[in-house]
This record gives sequence, structure tokens and C-alpha cells, in this order.
Amino acid sequence: GAVVSQHPSRVICKSGTSVKIECRSLDFQATTMFWYRQFPKQSLMLMATSNEGSKATYEQGVEKDKFLINHASLTLSTLTVTSAHPEDSSFYICSAIGLGETQYFGPGTRLLVL
Amino acid sequence: SQKIEQNSEALNIQEGKTATLTCNYTNYSPAYLQWYRQDPGRGPVFLLLIRENEKEKRKERLKVTFDTTLKQSLFHITASQPADSATYLCALVKAAGNKLTFGGGTRVLVKP
Repeated sequence: GAVVSQHPSRVICKSGTSVKIECRSLDFQATTMFWYRQFPKQSLMLMATSNEGSKATYEQGVEKDKFLINHASLTLSTLTVTSAHPEDSSFYICSAIGLGETQYFGPGTRLLVL
Repeated sequence: SQKIEQNSEALNIQEGKTATLTCNYTNYSPAYLQWYRQDPGRGPVFLLLIRENEKEKRKERLKVTFDTTLKQSLFHITASQPADSATYLCALVKAAGNKLTFGGGTRVLVKP
């Protein structure tokens, strides 16, 4: 089946530093990748849609200069949280779509900003 | 505004019984609907997809129905097992490749 990986699975950083999260589709080429954020006991909130070779489309209220997304290849998208602050602490999840309709999700990355 | 509602209260059910979850939506015309399972600290796992022109889909012990008149989907877990305990999310899509909009999820706890 379709497998999506994320790295790292967990990261702790100091306030003001930048953190990069990688999302890879392991056994299929992803035409589109999505980045979500999930706070405790809440559902997933879409942050941005990423297509290979083009700029990401951000959802309303998501700062594009703070959450930098790069989709350099059909199997890799990265999310960089720049100048992270404690309020950015959350569970970040990516998903990917190949030729079909189904979105396959990565295992998530837990970010804790001290 | 568009709304997708799932029962926020946890569903406690005895092992072997059928769990039924609801997903209601308003101001939305989805092309298809998906159900996912999410365990604590993990990403969602895809379970079933049902299109607007389909009434019912089955996969092993899972069954999904889709009523576009009622704007509702029902998700059934038959012969439930403790391993089925998780949060179940419904998500709607307007068209293929477009973004998913998730409901709040319903937590299911199957007791042995």
C-alpha cells in the first residue's frame, strides 16, 4: 500500500530557532502533498497545499513566511517552522496524493518549543 | 458556513457489538467522503472512500453509507474488538485532488 514517512518523529527546540520537517512518499509519486496541524483533542487543520515545482497554497490565517514549504520532487516535501515560539508547539502531519483520490498520511511530527 | 459534525462524545461499546458513528454536513456538496482511523500520537490511517453516487461501501467488518439527501454518512464497525478502540474521522472532498475537510472525530472505546 501507499506509505508516507515523516522525519523527525519528535523534536524539541529552543524558542527562536528554525525546525525542518520532511515528508516523503516511499512507494509512489505524490502529485500533491498537504500539511496539517493538530492541537490536543482537536481535529486536523489544513495549513497548506503543496504541488511539486510550484509555490504552496496556504490556508487563511497561516503565515507563509513562518511556515516555509518546499516541494522539490515528486516524493519529498519539507515544512520549515521559522523562528519557532512555544505557541507553535503542535503535532504536524503531512499527507500525499498519487494518481488516485485517497490521501495517505504520515505518522506525524511532535514539535515542542521551549 | 460549511460544517462537518461528528458526535464529540466518546462511544463506549461492548466487544462483539456493532459501533455506529455519524457524520453530518451542511452547506457542502462533496464529491466523495473518506473515513480515517487515528490512534493517539499517530497520523490518520485511511479506511474507506465512498463517492457521491454510491450508497454503501464495505471492507471486512467496516461498512459506510452515504446519503446526499440527508447530508449524512454512517460508519459501522461490526463484531467490534478492543483493537478497534481509536478516534474515527470523517473527511469530505469537493473534487479529486482537492483538500480534505475533517470532522472533529469520534472516539470509540471497545470494552472486552
